[in-house]
Amino acid sequence: QSALTQPASVSGSPGQSITISCTGTSSDVGGYNYVSWYQQHPGKAPKLMIYEVSNRPSGVSNRFSGSKSGNTASLTISGLQAEDEADYYCSSYTSSSRVFGGGTKLTVL
Amino acid sequence: QVQLQESGPGLVKPSQTLSLTCTVSGGSISSGGYYWSWIRQHPGKGLEWIGYIYYSGSTYYNPSLKSRVTISVDTSKNQFSLKLSSVTAADTAVYYCARDSIEEQQLEYWGQGTLVTVSS
Repeated sequence: QSALTQPASVSGSPGQSITISCTGTSSDVGGYNYVSWYQQHPGKAPKLMIYEVSNRPSGVSNRFSGSKSGNTASLTISGLQAEDEADYYCSSYTSSSRVFGGGTKLTVL
Repeated sequence: QVQLQESGPGLVKPSQTLSLTCTVSGGSISSGGYYWSWIRQHPGKGLEWIGYIYYSGSTYYNPSLKSRVTISVDTSKNQFSLKLSSVTAADTAVYYCARDSIEEQQLEYWGQGTLVTVSS
């Protein structure tokens, strides 16, 4: 059960869009439409932002969107805001268990 | 609104067993439809899934930790627990409990996390 692969860091200016990738295998990301994304601010618990690849929980801004192609899922944040600066983690279901990505630090310039 | 709260010692000696409990409020563990999960985060590092339990007692563990992990549930107290044996400094982490939806495979509700330090 290897961790999913995410870029260590991404950055963007306010108002811009960024995309964070999450690469797995056919046994996790590619095999199920059960990719979720979590936002974590320093010292806080993770917060669910996207589930089932592209669904947003109630209360999450529509600036956050998700997609998947093959073994790679992506989180896109449009109209970047200062409050979006955080760590982001992807996660996937895999054979009666769960795996997380290594995390991506988003810096809003 | 479902809430989860971790509790347990913040300091554990090497080779001993780490024990944490998660108390669930605002919803019943026995209602079904969810796995009750433990996840940890080493200082400055990413999230690591430890395992989860269904209210019936069925458990699923991370293969890398399976030999040392036991997750149990007490439906009468609406709690579930984590035991991690033979701990070392490498087990120092913030430990989170969370609710994992079986249908949607998402972790919508998390505890605030508790730091457990392994040190003599």
